[in-house]
Amino acid sequence: AQSVAQPEDQVNVAEGNPLTVKCTYSVSGNPYLFWYVQYPNRGLQFLLKYITGDNLVKGSYGFEAEFNKSQTSFHLKKPSALVSDSALYFCAGRRGFKTIFGAGTRLFVKA
Amino acid sequence: TAGITQAPTSQILAAGRSMTLRCTQDMRHNAMYWYRQDLGLGLRLIHYSNTAGTTGKGEVPDGYSVSRANTDDFPLTLASAVPSQTSVYFCASSAEGDNEQFFGPGTRLTVL
Repeated sequence: AQSVAQPEDQVNVAEGNPLTVKCTYSVSGNPYLFWYVQYPNRGLQFLLKYITGDNLVKGSYGFEAEFNKSQTSFHLKKPSALVSDSALYFCAGRRGFKTIFGAGTRLFVKA
Repeated sequence: TAGITQAPTSQILAAGRSMTLRCTQDMRHNAMYWYRQDLGLGLRLIHYSNTAGTTGKGEVPDGYSVSRANTDDFPLTLASAVPSQTSVYFCASSAEGDNEQFFGPGTRLTVL
């Protein structure tokens, strides 16, 4: 069965420190992978995607993610966290018209 | 442009009643989706439509139906609501199947 896993329910980081939100996937073939962010009482917003090509993908708000095929991972990273980055983050994998979302990781950035 | 709009914003519904959640997009996207978001489970796909006139079942379709009469609208109907359908429902659209999705603001539904 295809799946996307986010092993951490919550990640805490101090402002200015680098952050990583982990994601692993089990999607057949060549997966399309995405990261979305959700702020309170809002819908999800697209951050970045990997379709093909360079394994390091850069996205909105200074976020980036690295596709690692051997480890089936697609971790989200940012060199210097901001308090305003505090939100719920979702990793997603796509095959055809069906997207599978991870359970989400809540990021807390402390000033 | 408005993007995707959903109505109502929230609703309390008695068990056994029917209800239609509305979703409209103005981006002329071919594909549209309905998800439910439950704590600890992330988003689960209920139904999708890859173009007007066609629909498909997602991960959790039971108890829900959809229609896609035109490009812009994708209503979700609960024929006879049950308490387990209490959730936050998100509509989304994408230009093509492999592109990123754009999400509406959600409808918070409580079934008592």
